[in-house]
Amino acid sequence: QQQVKQSPQSLIVQKGGISIINCAYENTAFDYFPWYQQFPGKGPALLIAIRPDVSEKKEGRFTISFNKSAKQFSLHIMDSQPGDSATYFCAASGYNQGGKLIFGQGTELSVKP
Amino acid sequence: NAGVTQTPKFRILKIGQSMTLQCTQDMNHNYMYWYRQDPGMGLKLIYYSVGAGITDKGEVPNGYNVSRSTTEDFPLRLELAAPSQTSVYFCASSRVAGKYEQYFGPGTRLTVT
Repeated sequence: QQQVKQSPQSLIVQKGGISIINCAYENTAFDYFPWYQQFPGKGPALLIAIRPDVSEKKEGRFTISFNKSAKQFSLHIMDSQPGDSATYFCAASGYNQGGKLIFGQGTELSVKP
Repeated sequence: NAGVTQTPKFRILKIGQSMTLQCTQDMNHNYMYWYRQDPGMGLKLIYYSVGAGITDKGEVPNGYNVSRSTTEDFPLRLELAAPSQTSVYFCASSRVAGKYEQYFGPGTRLTVT
């Protein structure tokens, strides 16, 4: 059972544009929502994370928007740069997951110069 | 700190062969995880450990075994390799489960032919 659904699977954005990646979850017990960034040939690395007590978290050009009632959260990359080209994974965790992260399917982002 | 290290980086196995993927972390993390990554499928948890001597199954444990005799090491054993085990394998660790950052190794690309 896929508990975290991510879209789109791939995304092409022009340099300077806004990249938006969406995730939806089913389990209302989830209470931690991180985004991981993975460059080719490397392991994923934490980019930014949010807890459901806030609706938005911003770190530099990266923003998470969180909608608890809709059970959705999204990653916005402002002023996208070619160096942002990577695969992005959303994830979720909660007290009834035994501490495990449930990952979305991933989005391959390509930022064109 | 080296973080999380994995060996080997690449391996080709014949059907029916066995091998051990090595994982070591030097951050004194109690929690360790093994994931497999297949295109378009995200990261699937194979096994995890909450401390030395304690392991548990994840979402896709069939065909794999683990052990955790020390805090630092968490090897993954493949017995009777099958083509379905062709994947990229990542080891990760975290200080505390769930709400804290998971640190990933660089991965092992395994091909079973």
